[in-house]
Order: sequence, then C-alpha cells, then structure tokens
Amino acid sequence: DAGVIQSPRHEVTEMGQEVTLRCKPISGHNSLFWYRQTMMRGLELLIYFNNNVPIDDSGMPEDRFSAKMPNASFSTLKIQPSEPRDSAVYFCASSFGGSRYEQYFGPGTRLTVT
Amino acid sequence: EDKVVQSPLSLVVHEGDTVTLNCSYEVTNFRSLLWYKQEKKAPTFLFMLTSSGIEKKSGRLSSILDKKELFSILNITATQTGDSAVYLCADSGTYKYIFGTGTRLKVLA
Repeated sequence: DAGVIQSPRHEVTEMGQEVTLRCKPISGHNSLFWYRQTMMRGLELLIYFNNNVPIDDSGMPEDRFSAKMPNASFSTLKIQPSEPRDSAVYFCASSFGGSRYEQYFGPGTRLTVT
Repeated sequence: EDKVVQSPLSLVVHEGDTVTLNCSYEVTNFRSLLWYKQEKKAPTFLFMLTSSGIEKKSGRLSSILDKKELFSILNITATQTGDSAVYLCADSGTYKYIFGTGTRLKVLA
C-alpha cells in the first residue's frame, strides 16, 4: 500500500491567499484526521471524519478553516484567507476505526504564509 | 480537560546508553495509549497499549502501561544514533488521540 498521500508537500503563499491541502487515506480505512503541528503547540487535532462524515471539528481554529471529505478516498483542508500564524506542518492520518486502531500519518504539508 | 504530559522534554545520551521516556495522562473514557517516533517527517507508529502491566517489545524498544497510576514508559536499550527523534505519546478516548508535546532524544556517537 502507498500509505497516506498528501499534496502538496510544501506550500509557500502570501497572506490573504487561499490554500488547499489534499489527502488520500489508506484504502479501506474509514477514519480520517487532520492535524496541525507547530513548535509551540505540538500536534493538534483539527478535524475527524468517520465514514466521510465530520464527527468533531472542535479543533478547527476559526471560520477561515474548512474541511471536506467528498468520498472515502479524498479529503481537503482549506484555509481562506491564510495568515502568517497558519504557518505549520499539516498532517493527515487515517485508521480503520477512530481511536481503537493506530493511526497512520501522511508525510505532511509544510505551509509557510508570508 | 484531557491532557498528556511527557518528560523529559529533551535528552542527550551516548550510543549504548539506556533511556526511559515518561508519559502521564488524564483522559475521559480512556481506550489506549500509543507511542510514536517522529524523525524529520511524519510520526511512525511504535506501540499501542491497552492493558495495564503488559510489556510490549520490539527489538530494543519496550513499553509498559500503568492504568492505576495513569502513566506509561518507553525504554530504549543500547541506543543508536538512529534512535535520535522526537518520541510522542498519545492517549485515546472515545475516538480521538490527545498527543503530548514529545521528548526530543539525541543520541551521540
């Protein structure tokens, strides 16, 4: 299996621009998670999907952030408009079922907002 | 509020040393505790612990959970430079993980 796939791997954008991050989970996994990692706050859960349905988005920092999962093999995380404080590494992870199984992480997208 | 605290924050040792990393947790509806290794990329899974007192081992790495005292330890024996990484622990509640901030381990040759 190719593992969790994320794109792009690196994104540099200017403040105010829209950013879209993409994720393809491992085939057969029904849970998908978006995380953000910074030096200050560590690894934070942004949103969790189960069977393509958002279950918990309490970690989404504000309305500028939105996430979708139109089908079992694709998810997006969008930031509009982006701000410098959004600079971080964004990871997507998938698992067979919530927290009962280990999560497998994608390689991450390093976002820099100038 | 659920939380996970790891100690020490960082550690520098020499090859061949044995290290113990600590993780204490408070979580509602605890389900399991997990350890991950993160080098310069994504966290990779090491262990999942659900039962108290049962040690899990993989080569030079081992981990054990104490559900009464709400902590776990990760031991690495005969450390190698390739063990240099950030080690994250996470506890899982009903459906999501809460991650600690990690212990940064550096192994010197």
